[in-house]
Amino acid sequence: GAVVSQHPSWVICKSGTSVKIECRSLDFQATTMFWYRQFPKQSLMLMATSNEGSKATYEQGVEKDKFLINHASLTLSTLTVTSAHPEDSSFYICSAHGLAGPNEQFFGPGTRLTVL
Amino acid sequence: SQKIEQNSEALNIQEGKTATLTCNYTNYSPAYLQWYRQDPGRGPVFLLLIRENEKEKRKERLKVTFDTTLKQSLFHITASQPADSATYLCAPSFSGGYNKLIFGAGTRLAVHP
Repeated sequence: GAVVSQHPSWVICKSGTSVKIECRSLDFQATTMFWYRQFPKQSLMLMATSNEGSKATYEQGVEKDKFLINHASLTLSTLTVTSAHPEDSSFYICSAHGLAGPNEQFFGPGTRLTVL
Repeated sequence: SQKIEQNSEALNIQEGKTATLTCNYTNYSPAYLQWYRQDPGRGPVFLLLIRENEKEKRKERLKVTFDTTLKQSLFHITASQPADSATYLCAPSFSGGYNKLIFGAGTRLAVHP
């Protein structure tokens, strides 16, 4: 089956620093990648939709200057949390949608971000 | 706005019984609906997709129904096993394109030996 990886799996950083999270589709080309955030005991909240070669589309309430998304190739999307603060601490999950197929999204294992 | 509701309380059942999870949605008509399994600290894993013109879909011990009149999907696990214990997420498609999904809060299932 399709595999999506994320790196790092967890990261701890100081307040005010920036953190980059990578999402890769390992065995298929992903025309679209999605970034989600999940707080404890809550559902996945879609942050943005990323299409290869174009600007990401952000959901309402998500600051595009704080959460920078780059989708430079069909297998890689990155999310950079700029000037991170403790309230940005969360579980960040990406998913990828392939060129063909019955619409399911393949999710990465997630990245646990802790901002001190 | 679109709203997804799943059983908020955990579902506890005995091994071997059938688990039934409910997903209700309001204010829109999704073209398809997906169910995912999520284990603690992990990303969701795709289980089943059912389209609006399908009433029922099966995969091994899993069965999903989709009632567009009631705006409800039911997810069944037959002959449940302790390994089925996880949180199950309902995700109807969103009409905004790019195959966006809106996730319900999930129902935690605990299967006891």
